[in-house]
Amino acid sequence: KQEVTQIPAALSVPEGENLVLNCSFTDSAIYNLQWFRQDPGKGLTSLLLIQSSQREQTSGRLNASLDKSSGRSTLYIAASQPGDSATYLCAVTYGTASKLTFGTGTRLQVTL
Amino acid sequence: GAGVSQSPRYKVAKRGQDVALRCDPISGHVSLFWYQQALGQGPEFLTYFQNEAQLDKSGLPSDRFFAERPEGSVSTLKIQRTQQEDSAVYLCASSLVLGVGETQYFGPGTRLLVL
Repeated sequence: KQEVTQIPAALSVPEGENLVLNCSFTDSAIYNLQWFRQDPGKGLTSLLLIQSSQREQTSGRLNASLDKSSGRSTLYIAASQPGDSATYLCAVTYGTASKLTFGTGTRLQVTL
Repeated sequence: GAGVSQSPRYKVAKRGQDVALRCDPISGHVSLFWYQQALGQGPEFLTYFQNEAQLDKSGLPSDRFFAERPEGSVSTLKIQRTQQEDSAVYLCASSLVLGVGETQYFGPGTRLLVL
């Protein structure tokens, strides 16, 4: 069974700090990897999508990297803000299947 | 519509009851996915449709779970004889076409509590 793991499970940082969220996957034959944000009581919002042939993607203060050979991805958040507080999920797609295999999530709290 | 909508948002059921969860995808979206998210866990795939065809139902946990999308738009996830372990948030997502890497747009979910 393909497994996706996220570390840490929870993280609390003061506003303004840069932070890194980690995602690892057991099967490196991924097609792509996505990072999502989930706010309480709301659905998931896609943040970044990295194709298997890419090394990184950037959007504003967010940067996601992908190392297929080691089965790892990181989400870097620069200059964190209280509005960044949410659960962050990574998800991978394998082969020709469109379904997403999600990690367990990292619950982030950015304090004032 | 503006986004994926799901109803009801919250459902409390007594063990043994049948429930039906509705998903309205974004208009024109061909693909529709159902995921189950237990408390403190990431979502897990249940099933998906391309138009009215159910292409993969490998994630449905038991034969008590049934999903349909008869006209290729609205979908219903039905759970028969609910059990306490069915308590979770059920998420629906749609995408414009069926393809790897196509962005899936998620609804707010239905939170099911089985007592």
